[in-house]
Amino acid sequence: AQTVTQSQPEMSVQEAETVTLSCTYDTSESDYYLFWYKQPPSRQMILVIRQEAYKQQNATENRFSVNFQKAAKSFSLKISDSQLGDAAMYFCAYRRRTNFGNEKLTFGTGTRLTIIP
Amino acid sequence: DAGVIQSPRHEVTEMGQEVTLRCKPISGHNSLFWYRQTMMRGLELLIYFNNNVPIDDSGMPEDRFSAKMPNASFSTLKIQPSEPRDSAVYFCASSYGRVNSPLHFGNGTRLTVT
Repeated sequence: AQTVTQSQPEMSVQEAETVTLSCTYDTSESDYYLFWYKQPPSRQMILVIRQEAYKQQNATENRFSVNFQKAAKSFSLKISDSQLGDAAMYFCAYRRRTNFGNEKLTFGTGTRLTIIP
Repeated sequence: DAGVIQSPRHEVTEMGQEVTLRCKPISGHNSLFWYRQTMMRGLELLIYFNNNVPIDDSGMPEDRFSAKMPNASFSTLKIQPSEPRDSAVYFCASSYGRVNSPLHFGNGTRLTVT
């Protein structure tokens, strides 16, 4: 079974600084997808960024980027120029790739990010 | 697009009562997922459907839980009888049937069983 581990229950960063959230996963599959979701206090789950395992290039979405290390099974999220609105729980998630419809997401336990003004 | 719509947003009930949570997926999405979120266990998948057919219900805690998807635009999660340990936030999510399609989540239903 696939597992996702987020070893940092809480992180904090000064506004405008950069912070990196860690995520590791365990799988025997060679092809899969990885995601970061953000959950603000409103509890809505918002997709931040996604990465296909077969792509070597790291995904980037504006101030958000990932460092994907397939051999190490590591998928960290970097947030640059942190803003107050980035304060939230961040979840790393894994999805196995199949050719038969969608697969479930397996989530990590989350990292609570605090932005210090 | 209205997004995934869940109702009710909050539900408070007494132990032993039946609870029904509702979900309307995004139009055109053919996969639907029910997740439960608690402080102790995080986000757990309860069940998911592809094209209205249940694919994996191994996360359903016990026989008190049941889920249906009678058509592509509606799903229910029922708990009967409810217990205090069922208190949690229940999320519904939907996605297209493409392998790299992300899940779109509803705003969740916060269930409190007293």
